Amino acid sequence: NAGVTQTPKFQVLKTGQSMTLQCAQDMNHEYMSWYRQDPGMGLRLIHYSVGAGITDQGEVPNGYNVSRSTTEDFPLRLLSAAPSQTSVYFCASSGGFGSGRTDTQYFGPGTRLTVL
Amino acid sequence: DQQVKQNSPSLRVQEGRISILNCDYTNSMFDYFLWYKKYPAEGPTFLISISSIKDKNEDGRFTVFLNKSAKHLSLHIVPSQPGDSAVYFCAASLWNTDKLIFGTGTRLQVFP
Repeated sequence: NAGVTQTPKFQVLKTGQSMTLQCAQDMNHEYMSWYRQDPGMGLRLIHYSVGAGITDQGEVPNGYNVSRSTTEDFPLRLLSAAPSQTSVYFCASSGGFGSGRTDTQYFGPGTRLTVL
Repeated sequence: DQQVKQNSPSLRVQEGRISILNCDYTNSMFDYFLWYKKYPAEGPTFLISISSIKDKNEDGRFTVFLNKSAKHLSLHIVPSQPGDSAVYFCAASLWNTDKLIFGTGTRLQVFP
């Protein structure tokens, strides 16, 4: 049981380049989400999904796209990277708080992205 | 506007003493609160949670207290150990949603 996996661990982009951050979980969780962590800002929700085919915006969605074609995978796409997107990105999954509030979110190890 | 606030960016505590981490929130509709712990270069890991219908939840050395009238929660670690040195995030969610709103984190350092 690998839990939540993220690739790559590190990435350097030039302004305007595009890339996809990969996230996968093997716990059959319905809920998946992407956060970014910036100094002094804590963790901020970018996008989330409550199941395959369903996605919605979080607090800071601009500049990012997501899709959820399978339960296991939830990739995050940067279409045209900007220096403001330099951050550490975390993917998380959970069985869903609708399930009696006994579940919690499990986080991946993170992707450190630098945009020059 | 920050709905979940951790006003102390850092805290230093001697090993064996109590660590108290504080968190304030503004949205009275939050009904579930969690604490996560994060080591460098790792993702956050769940530590302890509390429902708004309770005012205390205990798990070993960790206790979370909730004061709904003050919109305040705190995490107590007794006794503190060097391995507790990490960044601690509090988070809150609304009823029947999966979205978590995180605070900015408090870096705890436990020294010998």
